[in-house]
Amino acid sequence: DAGVTQSPTHLIKTRGQQVTLRCSPKSGHDTVSWYQQALGQGPQFIFQYYEEEERQRGNFPDRFSGHQFPNYSSELNVNALLLGDSALYLCASSLWGLAGVGELFFGEGSRLTVL
Amino acid sequence: QQQVKQSPQSLIVQKGGISIINCAYENTAFDYFPWYQQFPGKGPALLIAIRPDVSEKKEGRFTISFNKSAKQFSLHIMDSQPGDSATYFCAASQYGGSQGNLIFGKGTKLSVKP
Repeated sequence: DAGVTQSPTHLIKTRGQQVTLRCSPKSGHDTVSWYQQALGQGPQFIFQYYEEEERQRGNFPDRFSGHQFPNYSSELNVNALLLGDSALYLCASSLWGLAGVGELFFGEGSRLTVL
Repeated sequence: QQQVKQSPQSLIVQKGGISIINCAYENTAFDYFPWYQQFPGKGPALLIAIRPDVSEKKEGRFTISFNKSAKQFSLHIMDSQPGDSATYFCAASQYGGSQGNLIFGKGTKLSVKP
């Protein structure tokens, strides 16, 4: 049973560029959440997708956008990259119907470096 | 504004000792308090979680103690082993584990010396 898979694992971009990160949820899961983890910090919630709609959003600017596909996979897009966007981007999947009793399963993340 | 405060930032424990990590929260609407373990190069993995209707939950060597009135909760690792060396994050959520976003603490880097 494959867990949460993310791609790419590492990437380097320059300021002002755009990046797309991809995530495939754990088999059977229908909800995808994205987190940003800066070096030495805890993960920070970016947004969550269920039924191809953004359900919740954290305190991140509109430069951060996402999408969920019918097969439940998801993309995170970041436009106009800033140096401060350098971080590990984590995708987590869950099952919406288990609200209150389910858990988040995290992928290993995509390490983004902005030069 | 940080909603979950975690301490200490780092912790060194001898093999066989007890590791204790503390967290405090502000939002009384939080109803789910998990602890995550993260090894270098890996994503966080759920270790144990508790809800505010119980004061303690134990799973193997890991115990969560929860004090609702003080708005604090802690992780105790009994008989700490070198394999427990990792970064531990406490978190809190208002809507349960799978639907709501998690608010994480800043993490505690645990080193267990042989």
